[in-house]
Amino acid sequence: ILNVEQSPQSLHVQEGDSTNFTCSFPSSNFYALHWYRWETAKSPEALFVMTLNGDEKKKGRISATLNTKEGYSYLYIKGSQPEDSATYLCAFIKVMDSSYKLIFGSGTRLLVRP
Amino acid sequence: GAVVSQHPSWVICKSGTSVKIECRSLDFQATTMFWYRQFPKQSLMLMATSNEGSKATYEQGVEKDKFLINHASLTLSTLTVTSAHPEDSSFYICSARGTGVHKYQPQHFGDGTRLSIL
Repeated sequence: ILNVEQSPQSLHVQEGDSTNFTCSFPSSNFYALHWYRWETAKSPEALFVMTLNGDEKKKGRISATLNTKEGYSYLYIKGSQPEDSATYLCAFIKVMDSSYKLIFGSGTRLLVRP
Repeated sequence: GAVVSQHPSWVICKSGTSVKIECRSLDFQATTMFWYRQFPKQSLMLMATSNEGSKATYEQGVEKDKFLINHASLTLSTLTVTSAHPEDSSFYICSARGTGVHKYQPQHFGDGTRLSIL
């Protein structure tokens, strides 16, 4: 059984706080990891594709790191704003022969209070 | 950017009804589309991979006769929940990957369909 775990399940922070959450995944047979941002009533939007151990990617105030040897990725948000409120999903790519599928974590729900 | 349209957004119907959900890629061609289901407080679970012009590949535990998938063109895949029952009530969401796009590139998602069976 391939498990992708995300923690915490939910997080409430004050506007301006910096925050981070974790995605844990199997460390063997790593191919790639995706981070998605999912706002209520909208479709999940891709944030990052992480492929190499030690990867660090940044988009504005949001950044992500990757450790494939120990099987975790962190997502950081610097100076949280109310518009950052969303569910953040990570997805591990499992490759099988010529096909692949995404194994999702259950997400971290972030609420940023003004 | 790549846009995926999913319709309908919300369905409420009686037990025994069959329900069809459409997933369209609006500005790109998608050889492969994916159908997921999410129960409350659980993660998105892949139900099946839909390939244009061929049979869908179903995940273990997903009944292919219950969840019919048709991917007749490069821009449209449909999921039909046949003779739906209350236990089929869930959130269904599709995603698509552009033709020729590397497999590790992210998928483009629809907005999802909330299905409630009375």
